[in-house]
Amino acid sequence: AQSVTQLDSQVPVFEEAPVELRCNYSSSVSVYLFWYVQYPNQGLQLLLKYLSGSTLVKGINGFEAEFNKSQTSFHLRKPSVHISDTAEYFCAVSEVSSASKIIFGSGTRLSIRP
Amino acid sequence: DTAVSQTPKYLVTQMGNDKSIKCEQNLGHDTMYWYKQDSKKFLKIMFSYNNKELIINETVPNRFSPKSPDKAHLNLHINSLELGDSAVYFCASSQGGVGPEETQYFGPGTRLLVL
Repeated sequence: AQSVTQLDSQVPVFEEAPVELRCNYSSSVSVYLFWYVQYPNQGLQLLLKYLSGSTLVKGINGFEAEFNKSQTSFHLRKPSVHISDTAEYFCAVSEVSSASKIIFGSGTRLSIRP
Repeated sequence: DTAVSQTPKYLVTQMGNDKSIKCEQNLGHDTMYWYKQDSKKFLKIMFSYNNKELIINETVPNRFSPKSPDKAHLNLHINSLELGDSAVYFCASSQGGVGPEETQYFGPGTRLLVL
């Protein structure tokens, strides 16, 4: 069975600084990988996803993530964050053969300081 | 013009009661889901329906029963509510088949508090 680990429960950064949110996964088969964002008191919104092809995936709001199969990682990055990026970020994985079942990580709280 | 809507937004109730949460999507999607997010923000799938047919049924208590009157609606009924049921419940939908590559669109959540 697959699993997702987000090592950092909270990441504080200053506005306009770069940020990286770490995500590692475990699976014995090929996977799809996702990053979702949850703004306060809202539902989740897809930031980006890796299905196949280029390992560097670009998403909305200037975020990107790189799939590294050898390190089983899918870290999320943004070169310059804004106050509006304050939110909870969830990494998720799904086995390619699975029927719609996505496993979510425990989330990373990104807080932006002015 | 909300894509995935849930009612109610907040639900406070006593232990032992029966309650329902409604979900509707106006995206024309074929697949709908229910997720539970606990107090530690951990999000876990409960059910998935595709064209009114149950696809995923995780190990949730029998007290939870999803009902899909049509493919635009997936309601969640909970019998004999317990303290541990307190959580935020999210509905989601995705277009087309049951492939996990389909983007899921989430509702705003229903915050359930059992006293």
